[in-house]
Amino acid sequence: QVQLQESGPGLVKPSGTLSLTCAVSGGSIDSSYWWSWVRQPPGKGLEWIADIYHGGNTNSNPSLQSRLTVSVDKSKNQFSLRLTSVTVADTAVYYCATRAWAFDNWGQGTMVTVSS
Amino acid sequence: EIVMTQSPATLSVSPGERATLSCRASQTVSSNLAWYQQKPGQAPRLLIHGASTRATGIPARFSGSGSGTEFTLTISSLQSEDFSVYYCQQYNNWPFTFGPGTKVDIK
Repeated sequence: QVQLQESGPGLVKPSGTLSLTCAVSGGSIDSSYWWSWVRQPPGKGLEWIADIYHGGNTNSNPSLQSRLTVSVDKSKNQFSLRLTSVTVADTAVYYCATRAWAFDNWGQGTMVTVSS
Repeated sequence: EIVMTQSPATLSVSPGERATLSCRASQTVSSNLAWYQQKPGQAPRLLIHGASTRATGIPARFSGSGSGTEFTLTISSLQSEDFSVYYCQQYNNWPFTFGPGTKVDIK
């Protein structure tokens, strides 16, 4: 089973850009999975953000799509999330996950706070 | 967007008892329904996919049923480690959506 590890700044200023990376170990990002991002605001439920396949096909949540970029870096065996024009509403734990059908394997999550 | 609802919001159960959690979709999701368990400070863990198939390593006391718009997660005999929050999620249509969760606590 692949291991996933999120990384990125824990604090982002309002109107700034949130950038996270998910490192994949124990397997190749060329595997037949979708590579996904899910977030969870403090004390709240889960929200799917986006999926990307190793070939570059992506699906994203329409509520975030205009601010969102997801990408795969095969040379580094990792995938990334970039969310622009952030507000306090984007404060959350951000998880990366693999998805064959359901989200079957998750990273530990990284807390991102949007604050000045 | 498909809206997922879960009931009850909180379920108080004694250890060893059965717990029955419900999930409803605002339109059919066929059998493309998953259940997750989440403990405080941890990532969610996949329990059930395809509405009724246990994920690898999940104990047999967890079972899922239903199709279309109505789904149930049953925990046959609650163990101490099962007191947690449970989410359902549909993956039939983009955007994928989660229910608000059911907290199972100790009675």
